[in-house]
Amino acid sequence: DVKVTQSSRYLVKRTGEKVFLECVQDMDHENMFWYRQDPGLGLRLIYFSYDVKMKEKGDIPEGYSVSREKKERFSLILESASTNQTSMYLCASRPPGQGLFLGQFFGPGTRLTVL
Amino acid sequence: GQQVMQIPQYQHVQEGEDFTTYCNSSTTLSNIQWYKQRPGGHPVFLIQLVKSGEVKKQKRLTFQFGEAKKNSSLHITATQTTDVGTYFCAQAGTALIFGKGTTLSVSS
Repeated sequence: DVKVTQSSRYLVKRTGEKVFLECVQDMDHENMFWYRQDPGLGLRLIYFSYDVKMKEKGDIPEGYSVSREKKERFSLILESASTNQTSMYLCASRPPGQGLFLGQFFGPGTRLTVL
Repeated sequence: GQQVMQIPQYQHVQEGEDFTTYCNSSTTLSNIQWYKQRPGGHPVFLIQLVKSGEVKKQKRLTFQFGEAKKNSSLHITATQTTDVGTYFCAQAGTALIFGKGTTLSVSS
């Protein structure tokens, strides 16, 4: 089974802190994604990466950056956390191209609270 | 950008009743995926539809893709308490564009 793990289930940080959210997948997937999920707004794409050292902005990249130094790891960075970044953060991965299975595999999520 | 609209936002049913959620787009969709998220959980991929008019079944779940590929539906027959959660549709491309989901609650 594909496994996507995230470094923390719950995280509490203070305004202005630099925050690192880590995501690791064990299926050698090229594509990895970071979403945030908020009530009433659904899942919104922050950044994605289709290869090592490659990154693309999603719908809401402001205030975030990412790092993909190794294929299995995709990190989301909040350079200076703000209270409006309090949210559930979900990482996902998927295999490339037109394979039989194109669904994304999600990690368990990190619930971040910024005070 | 392209959006997929999902209705209803919430639905409450009695156990044994049927449930349907609809996903609509103003533009033609190349494909549609459906995900389920249990309370406190993460989205789990259910199925992908690609062909116009496609219908797929998974036990009590029936998924349809419209003839014009602008809408899709998920129908659950005889709901059970285990069906509780939020159902999302999404268009898959380089990344997923999600609808906002329909949250289903079931009372026994």
